[in-house]
Amino acid sequence: DIQMTQSPSSLSASVGDRVTITCRASQGIRNDLGWYQQKPGKAPKRLIYAASTLQSGVPSRFSGSGSGTEFILTISSLQPEDFATYYCLQYNSHPYTFGQGTKLEIK
Amino acid sequence: EVQLVESGGGLVQPGGSLRLSCEGSGFTFSSYWMSWVRQAPGKGLEWVAHINQDGRQKYYVDSVQGRFTISRDNAQNSLYLQMNSLRAEDTAVYFCASKWVDAPGTDYWGQGTLVIVSS
Repeated sequence: DIQMTQSPSSLSASVGDRVTITCRASQGIRNDLGWYQQKPGKAPKRLIYAASTLQSGVPSRFSGSGSGTEFILTISSLQPEDFATYYCLQYNSHPYTFGQGTKLEIK
Repeated sequence: EVQLVESGGGLVQPGGSLRLSCEGSGFTFSSYWMSWVRQAPGKGLEWVAHINQDGRQKYYVDSVQGRFTISRDNAQNSLYLQMNSLRAEDTAVYFCASKWVDAPGTDYWGQGTLVIVSS
């Protein structure tokens, strides 16, 4: 199985900050990676797929990059509604696997 | 309006069985792969299983292989998860989802149904 190592596990930041979250795959997954946002008590919401394709309707302050084994989610200027938990997902091979999650909290 | 509505969760004893259902509306259910994703209390997300459009291709996470069966009825716009030999570690909120991996366009998720495995 492909292991996804996500870092950091938690992050404290302020409105307007630029933040980055990293996911590393235990083997190459091309660009078969998505990023998801989840708020407490809610279903996840996809932000990015194919490593860098922004889901329609998602603000352009979110961006994704990377290929192979290292991937980055960047939020260019944090907004109050961005405080949530973020997960990466690899779908290169079964079983699909998520990273452990990054909880983004208000400083 | 697109909706995915799960049902069938509840409290079950270890070793017991439960069948989850997910009814879709507002989109062409039969055109998409359908998935189950779960989240144990206070934990991260885990992909459980998915099924292709005609039901012939099915994939499972190793921990449920042989115990859970995913199926669908396109005439009823419904997805199912038959869960047998349940264990405490299967306790989670189970979400059904569609278009959530690599399909372009909006992803669809249900609200989740809670399964508690406990004596």
